[in-house]
Amino acid sequence: ETGVTQTPRHLVMGMTNKKSLKCEQHLGHNAMYWYKQSAKKPLELMFVYNFKEQTENNSVPSRFSPECPNSSHLFLHLHTLQPEDSALYLCASSTGTSGVQETQYFGPGTRLLVL
Amino acid sequence: QKEVEQNSGPLSVPEGAIASLNCTYSDRGSQSFFWYRQYSGKSPELIMFIYSNGDKEDGRFTAQLNKASQYVSLLIRDSQPSDSATYLCAVIPNTGNQFYFGTGTSLTVIP
Repeated sequence: ETGVTQTPRHLVMGMTNKKSLKCEQHLGHNAMYWYKQSAKKPLELMFVYNFKEQTENNSVPSRFSPECPNSSHLFLHLHTLQPEDSALYLCASSTGTSGVQETQYFGPGTRLLVL
Repeated sequence: QKEVEQNSGPLSVPEGAIASLNCTYSDRGSQSFFWYRQYSGKSPELIMFIYSNGDKEDGRFTAQLNKASQYVSLLIRDSQPSDSATYLCAVIPNTGNQFYFGTGTSLTVIP
């Protein structure tokens, strides 16, 4: 399998549920990202990991908890979400996080609906 | 002030015409600029990036960068219906290492 993969592709959850999103990249990259994409809004960067270390956390609510066990895998753990958290969650990866290495390649996304 | 601004459109052009998409950014020191295409229900895919002032051509696509005026544009020559998508501009400002995306411009190419 090539590129960036995400599972599940679609997820419906209640506000009291706990679920996890998974991202895996097969590009040999060192940096991975979580984005949120809502209708009519720009892509919002949530978290950045570089060599498994979290380098950015853009004031994301604690109900979103990232985990990066290695440079190829990234998880987003979800708990007690709100309906306004319904969105497309995109994972991306890049070679690094500076200069020309920052070209990011996106996974297909997880469409999340919180009821 | 938004970091990256794009006209949301929709922009409609006839098949075979040139589509022109524009993007302005606020950080004058920004160094890296990217254009992504996103089909409805799909994830963004990189079209091209540009770092230097001037034009960069790749097939039917040309990116134009003017740092003095703080804008970057994407021209699509000989537009095809398959080019119908939302085009996202992304900028890495001088202040950090993260992308800032515009809201995207919706393009429709009419057969």
